Amino acid sequence: EAQVTQNPRYLITVTGKKLTVTCSQNMNHEYMSWYRQDPGLGLRQIYYSMNVEVTDKGDVPEGYKVSRKEKRNFPLILESPSPNQTSLYFCASSSRTGLGSPLHFGNGTRLTVT
Amino acid sequence: LAKTTQPISMDSYEGQEVNITCSHNNIATNDYITWYQQFPSQGPRFIIQGYKTKVTNEVASLFIPADRKSSTLSLPRVSLSDTAVYYCLVGRNTGKLIFGQGTTLQVKP
Repeated sequence: EAQVTQNPRYLITVTGKKLTVTCSQNMNHEYMSWYRQDPGLGLRQIYYSMNVEVTDKGDVPEGYKVSRKEKRNFPLILESPSPNQTSLYFCASSSRTGLGSPLHFGNGTRLTVT
Repeated sequence: LAKTTQPISMDSYEGQEVNITCSHNNIATNDYITWYQQFPSQGPRFIIQGYKTKVTNEVASLFIPADRKSSTLSLPRVSLSDTAVYYCLVGRNTGKLIFGQGTTLQVKP
């Protein structure tokens, strides 16, 4: 089954403790991206990757890092999480070869930073 | 990047047709218009996509006027299970993307 898998689904951590949220897709998609969703603010893009070893900032990249060493994986790294990064996070992928190919989203990771 | 504007919320009743309009005045020539549906605690999922005129699939229709500066998602005969947030996205679903706040549709019995 074609899917985007995020782990973990829920994460509670403390301020300053480094964490990684994993994202993996099995559709051989070139494009992957991360979003955060907060009440009243919709989906905001954090980082995106057009292909392996190519990453770029979205609208809200501060406090986050990403890497794209393999095509299927696109982890989101919070080096020193803060309470304002408490949010619902989504990873998504799409094919760049298909004209306007739709995004496929994971089921989300709910992060709480205390 | 094309910015989109949608109503924040809409109410409807079961069995009615719902039309949600999205404004995108600065749409680029090669941009597509894609609509996504999101249920609570789930990731958005693709509903329909179009470039111009009208597109119809098994769940919705998408109407795009000739100037492409707006689009309307039409959901025929909604049910309670259509209660969700609907996002309009303009672009090619790649690169830097800007989602609006989305439209929260509440379907009542």
